Amino acid sequence: AQSVAQPEDQVNVAEGNPLTVKCTYSVSGNPYLFWYVQYPNRGLQFLLKYITGDNLVKGSYGFEAEFNKSQTSFHLKKPSALVSDSALYFCAVRDAYNTDKLIFGTGTRLQVFP
Amino acid sequence: DAGVTQSPTHLIKTRGQQVTLRCSPKSGHDTVSWYQQALGQGPQFIFQYYEEEERQRGNFPDRFSGHQFPNYSSELNVNALLLGDSALYLCASCTRGQGETQYFGPGTRLLVL
Repeated sequence: AQSVAQPEDQVNVAEGNPLTVKCTYSVSGNPYLFWYVQYPNRGLQFLLKYITGDNLVKGSYGFEAEFNKSQTSFHLKKPSALVSDSALYFCAVRDAYNTDKLIFGTGTRLQVFP
Repeated sequence: DAGVTQSPTHLIKTRGQQVTLRCSPKSGHDTVSWYQQALGQGPQFIFQYYEEEERQRGNFPDRFSGHQFPNYSSELNVNALLLGDSALYLCASCTRGQGETQYFGPGTRLLVL
């Protein structure tokens, strides 16, 4: 079965420090991986995706993610966190058989403290 | 360029009633997907519409149905509402193809009493 795991319910980081939000996946075939962010009472905003190519993907708002095939991971990173980055982050993978269906993790709440 | 829009933003219904939610896709997109996000959970895929037909479906009962119009907008209908249907319903649009990014609307929050 295809799945996404976000092992941390919450990540706390001080403003200005680097942040990492973890994601691991299990899929058949080549993975198409996505990160979305959700602010309170809002829909999901697309941050970045990995389809193929460079393992380091750069996205919106200074975020990047590193694809690691051997560890089946796709961790979201940012060199210097902002208070305004505080939100709920979702990792998702495209279903290999249901190709436009996204399978989401349970989300990680990022709290950036001033 | 307008993004994905959804209406209404909030809705309160009672058990057994029926509800219709609406979605207009991002300009240039022809495919609409619907997701249900229960409190504290990630979104769950309900179904997808392309060329006015349901193309793919997740693990949801037949009480959940939909429609896509010639202008690519879409409706989600839920019959015989249950308390467990209370959730944020998200619409996402994209252009059909592998790996295309799905863009989400702000959602409709449905409360079933």
